Amino acid sequence: EIVLTQSPATLSLSPGERATLSCRASQSVYNYLAWYQQKPGQAPRLLIYDASNRATGIPARFSGSGSGTDFTLTISSLEPEDFAVYYCQQRNNWPTFGPGTKVDIK
Amino acid sequence: QVQLQESGPGLVKSSETLSLTCTVSGGSISNYYWSCLRQPPGKGLEWIGYISYSGSTNYNPSLKSRVTMSVDTSKNQFSLKLSSVTAADTAVYYCARHLPSYGHVFDYWGQGTLATVSS
Repeated sequence: EIVLTQSPATLSLSPGERATLSCRASQSVYNYLAWYQQKPGQAPRLLIYDASNRATGIPARFSGSGSGTDFTLTISSLEPEDFAVYYCQQRNNWPTFGPGTKVDIK
Repeated sequence: QVQLQESGPGLVKSSETLSLTCTVSGGSISNYYWSCLRQPPGKGLEWIGYISYSGSTNYNPSLKSRVTMSVDTSKNQFSLKLSSVTAADTAVYYCARHLPSYGHVFDYWGQGTLATVSS
């Protein structure tokens, strides 16, 4: 099983600030890494797939990078609706998810 | 716009079988792959398994012995059965569609349904 770790566990920022979230895999997943956003009481929403491809309808302030074992999700300027939990997920083997990073309001 | 709707019993007794049905609307179930996932209260996400429109399946190795998925294209539905449940199976269960040509990337999700295992 490929284990994903995310850091930090919580990121406290203000609207307008830049958010940088990290995801590390226990072995190479090539570029087979996706990012999801989840708000309380809602299903996850696909943001990024294959490390850097934005899903349909996702704003340009969301960007992904990385390959192999180290990946980053960047939100260039936080909007009020961006405060949520973010999960990374790999699809190199059977899919597994990271434990999540909570982005909350400072 | 594709929509997925989960339906399930809500409460399941320990050692019994949890059954979940996912109904797809706004599009055909054909030509896509479909997954079930779950999220225990306050915890992270776990993939349970997938089924294709033609009925081929693949399951999470940690759950494989207890999972069966099936598809009914005439009803635009697919289903999950999880046997011998325990309290550890209490979770919100989601249905999701695979992004075409990208394997296990989930682009449409249902709202989720909470299944609670009681003793």
